[in-house]
Amino acid sequence: AQTVTQSQPEMSVQEAETVTLSCTYDTSESDYYLFWYKQPPSRQMILVIRQEAYKQQNATENRFSVNFQKAAKSFSLKISDSQLGDAAMYFCALHNTDKLIFGTGTRLQVFP
Amino acid sequence: DTAVSQTPKYLVTQMGNDKSIKCEQNLGHDTMYWYKQDSKKFLKIMFSYNNKELIINETVPNRFSPKSPDKAHLNLHINSLELGDSAVYFCASSQDLKDYEQYFGPGTRLTVT
Repeated sequence: AQTVTQSQPEMSVQEAETVTLSCTYDTSESDYYLFWYKQPPSRQMILVIRQEAYKQQNATENRFSVNFQKAAKSFSLKISDSQLGDAAMYFCALHNTDKLIFGTGTRLQVFP
Repeated sequence: DTAVSQTPKYLVTQMGNDKSIKCEQNLGHDTMYWYKQDSKKFLKIMFSYNNKELIINETVPNRFSPKSPDKAHLNLHINSLELGDSAVYFCASSQDLKDYEQYFGPGTRLTVT
């Protein structure tokens, strides 16, 4: 069975600082994709960053980057220079065959 | 233009009623999905349709019946609503079954009283 685990229900960070959100997953597939989604209070699901499992290079999107450790099945999200607008729920997700499997989410608070 | 739209955004109804949530995508995608996000924010897939055909049914009670009149629409009909059906329901679409990128609608918050 495919699973996605986010062990941090809540995290907090000071504005302009860096924070890392953890995610581990399990799959028997060799070809899959990993995502981080952001859900602000508006509840819209916003794709933050994606990683193809066959790519060794870690994905980066502006202030967002991932640390993808395929052997360890780990996929953490680093947010640099945190901004107040980064406050949201963050979901790690695994795309396997034909559906997205989500983790339980991490609520990120950003303090001024 | 909104890529994936859902109506209504909010729905409050009483136990035992029947209600529908509509979803439309204007992306030309073949595959559409329904997800349920419960009160603890856990998101789980309910159904997927590809070219109007049911592909995934994740052990959802048969009170939930998705209907796809064409590949741009996937509506969710719920019979005999129960308190536990209260949740946010998200529609999503992707180019096809193998396409990893899914585009989400804004969600419909359903409250059953």
